[in-house]
Amino acid sequence: AQSVSQHNHHVILSEAASLELGCNYSYGGTVNLFWYVQYPGQHLQLLLKYFSGDPLVKGIKGFEAEFIKSKFSFNLRKPSVQWSDTAEYFCAVNIGSGNTGKLIFGQGTTLQVKP
Amino acid sequence: ETGVTQTPRHLVMGMTNKKSLKCEQHLGHNAMYWYKQSAKKPLELMFVYSLEERVENNSVPSRFSPECPNSSHLFLHLHTLQPEDSALYLCASSRSTDTQYFGPGTRLTVL
Repeated sequence: AQSVSQHNHHVILSEAASLELGCNYSYGGTVNLFWYVQYPGQHLQLLLKYFSGDPLVKGIKGFEAEFIKSKFSFNLRKPSVQWSDTAEYFCAVNIGSGNTGKLIFGQGTTLQVKP
Repeated sequence: ETGVTQTPRHLVMGMTNKKSLKCEQHLGHNAMYWYKQSAKKPLELMFVYSLEERVENNSVPSRFSPECPNSSHLFLHLHTLQPEDSALYLCASSRSTDTQYFGPGTRLTVL
């Protein structure tokens, strides 16, 4: 069955520390990959996405992610986190086709950044 | 951001009640979705609609009944729910397989 695994469930960092959140998926077909973020009290927002082309994609707020096809991974990185990055982060794989998507989500990673 | 709106934002209901959740998208998308977000579990896809036609029902119990009267509106009708159905219910929309945009969700508590 298709699945998405996020290795870190709860991460605590100090401001200016570097961040890397792991995401692996199990699906043999063509995938579109996403990272969503949910800030406290807010709705899910798109952070970045990969559909094709350059496997290193840049998103909002200085985040980037690298798609490594051979490792079925799509890890999220940020060189220097800020207190405002405190949120829950979700990796998702879209295995849909035709007129609709089908997002499979990871369990989420709660990031707490200490000022 | 008001691309996808959901009402009500909070709902408390008894197991014998009937209630409905409403979602509206203002993005001109052709697909709409219902997800369930429970504590300690990944978001679960419940239903998918494309151009008002249901294309996926992810083994959801019949006490949840979706309705999509047009491409901008999506409902989730609730009937005789169980306490374990308490969760955050999220609506999303997309243009085909492109990025899904989410609403703020309805926090449902079943007593």
